[in-house]
Amino acid sequence: EIVLTQSPGTLSLSPGERATLSCRASQNVNTIYLAWYQQKPGQAPRLLIYGASTRATGIPDRFSGSGSGTDFTLIISRLEPEDFAVYYCQQYGSSPRTFGQGTKLEIK
Amino acid sequence: EVLLLESGGDMVQPGGSLRLSCAASGFTFSNYAMNWVRQAPGKGLEWVSGISASDGATFYADSVKGRFTISRDNSKNTLYLQMNSLRAEDTALYYCTKAQYGGVYAYCEYWGQGALVTVSS
Repeated sequence: EIVLTQSPGTLSLSPGERATLSCRASQNVNTIYLAWYQQKPGQAPRLLIYGASTRATGIPDRFSGSGSGTDFTLIISRLEPEDFAVYYCQQYGSSPRTFGQGTKLEIK
Repeated sequence: EVLLLESGGDMVQPGGSLRLSCAASGFTFSNYAMNWVRQAPGKGLEWVSGISASDGATFYADSVKGRFTISRDNSKNTLYLQMNSLRAEDTALYYCTKAQYGGVYAYCEYWGQGALVTVSS
């Protein structure tokens, strides 16, 4: 099983700042099989990024994904108030599919 | 518009059974793989099971293998999760998700709002 470890657990930033979220895998993940999701309180998760770097439909370009092998990154270039949420990475190239434990992005 | 509507969530005693359903609309259901993902109260996401579109190949997390069965009825545009031998640690909100294509290496493109399963005596 591929274990995904996200860091930091909690990130406290202000609107307008840049957020950098990390996802590290215990084994190599084929780049095309890495996704990022956003979840707000009381809501279902929403797909942000797939294939490590491709934004899903309707996702603003302030969200970007990068990485390969075992290290992946989600960057939010300038935080908007609606971006404060929990973010999860997921690998879907091997079974079982696994999620990271999440990074909570909170307002400072 | 893609819509996924889960139903069947309930409170059940340990050792009991429950079947979740997910009614899909807004896309050609038979062409897409589907998954179940769960979230225990206050916890993160856990992938539970997936089923491909064409050959109906199924996949399970180790935590549910042998107890849960995923299936689909393409004539009814419905996904199912039969859950047997339920344990307290199965308590969670269960999300139905649509994949981006029919194969097994798929991310969760769309999510339902979830069905709550509580296992307690």
